[in-house]
Amino acid sequence: DVVMTQSPLSLPVTPGQPASISCTSSQSLVYSDGNIYLNWFQQRPGQSPRRLIYKVSNRDSGVPDRFSGSGSGTDFTLKISRVEAEDVGVYYCMQGTHWPFTFGPGTTVDLK
Amino acid sequence: QVQLQESGPGLVKPSETLSLTCSVSGASITDHYWSWIRQPPGKGVEYIGYVYYTGITNYNPSLKSRVTISMDMSKSQFSLTLSSVTAADTAIYYCAKTARVCDDWGQGTLVTVSS
Repeated sequence: DVVMTQSPLSLPVTPGQPASISCTSSQSLVYSDGNIYLNWFQQRPGQSPRRLIYKVSNRDSGVPDRFSGSGSGTDFTLKISRVEAEDVGVYYCMQGTHWPFTFGPGTTVDLK
Repeated sequence: QVQLQESGPGLVKPSETLSLTCSVSGASITDHYWSWIRQPPGKGVEYIGYVYYTGITNYNPSLKSRVTISMDMSKSQFSLTLSSVTAADTAIYYCAKTARVCDDWGQGTLVTVSS
């Protein structure tokens, strides 16, 4: 299975400051159709995961533009330009290129 | 707006079969792949498998011998069965739309395996 690694696993942030989460895959995530199926999800306390970013850098409708995704090959990043209180939760990367699809361990974002 | 709702027993005895259903509204069940994903309390997220209306299925090898995902197009539902459950199968079970990009999720349902 493709192993997804995230760092840091815990990220205390100051509201208004930027934050960055790294996700690394054990294999290249380029699929045969040329797409890279690397997605980012936010899970707020007590809620189901919500997709923020799909295929590396495409932001979902309704997702604030302070969230952005980037990367290629095996290294990917989710950035929050200015953290707000509502951003508290666990963030997961997930690869949908190689079966079985796999998730990272999650990064817990909370406020300092 | 797509809505997915999981339903089924919240408690299953060890060695028995877990059965869940996901009801879909706001999207045609024949237009997408549909997935089951689970999250043991306090642990990571595991992809179980997916189904397409043509009968295509794909199961995580770690569960393949015990899992079946099927679809009832007339009811706009798809289902998960997991046989011979143990305490390790205790988790929140989510259904989701599409496979590779999981764009919409249900609220999840907690299934506890205990006698």
